[in-house]
Amino acid sequence: EVQLVESGGGLVQPGGSLRLSCATSGFTFSSNWMHWVRQVPGKGLVWLCDITPDGSRTAYADFVKGRFTISRDNVKNMLYLEMNSLRDDDTAVYYCESQISRGGHWGQGTLVTVSS
Amino acid sequence: EIVLTQSPDTLSLSPGERATLSCRASQIINNNQLAWHQQRPGQAPRLLIFGSSNRASGIPDRFSGSGSGTDFTLTINGLEPEDFAVYYCQEYDGSFLTFGPGTKVDI
Repeated sequence: EVQLVESGGGLVQPGGSLRLSCATSGFTFSSNWMHWVRQVPGKGLVWLCDITPDGSRTAYADFVKGRFTISRDNVKNMLYLEMNSLRDDDTAVYYCESQISRGGHWGQGTLVTVSS
Repeated sequence: EIVLTQSPDTLSLSPGERATLSCRASQIINNNQLAWHQQRPGQAPRLLIFGSSNRASGIPDRFSGSGSGTDFTLTINGLEPEDFAVYYCQEYDGSFLTFGPGTKVDI
């Protein structure tokens, strides 16, 4: 069974940092592009960033570039999102998603709340 | 950057009816790299269709996708109660992926 389980969300003050993790199993993680997507409660889905299967290349949406860093560990089958300089409008549920053409699986999401 | 527009915003239907959802792209999506996701209330999204018309694993055959270029359609034949949800199209033609704003299918 394919599983993606995000963790690391919580309450953080504006300007703070948080590291999200996505633990995966049940599929060949090292062969998949991986993505982070977020959703403000009640709003739509927004793509944040992705990383190639070998981790050599990344891409970011403009509004997170320079603040967020995606990385992966293909030995541990883990995906990460390092988030710095967090703002109120980063409050959202954060999802990891695997490569669409190889199954497009989603995690259950982890809530990040940025508030003083 | 590709911009996706979905219509209608909301589709009010009854169980057993057919739903037809539209997704239009601001430029041609190469190789039909267009997906559809379903999100039920309080749940994570799940992939329904990829490559414009290929059903993901475990997806019932009442869901079908079609289209190419800039115009794509998701059809749900014989709506079941669990199909009342929000549906998002997503293009994955390279990096900088984009989601449409979603279509809500409600009763």
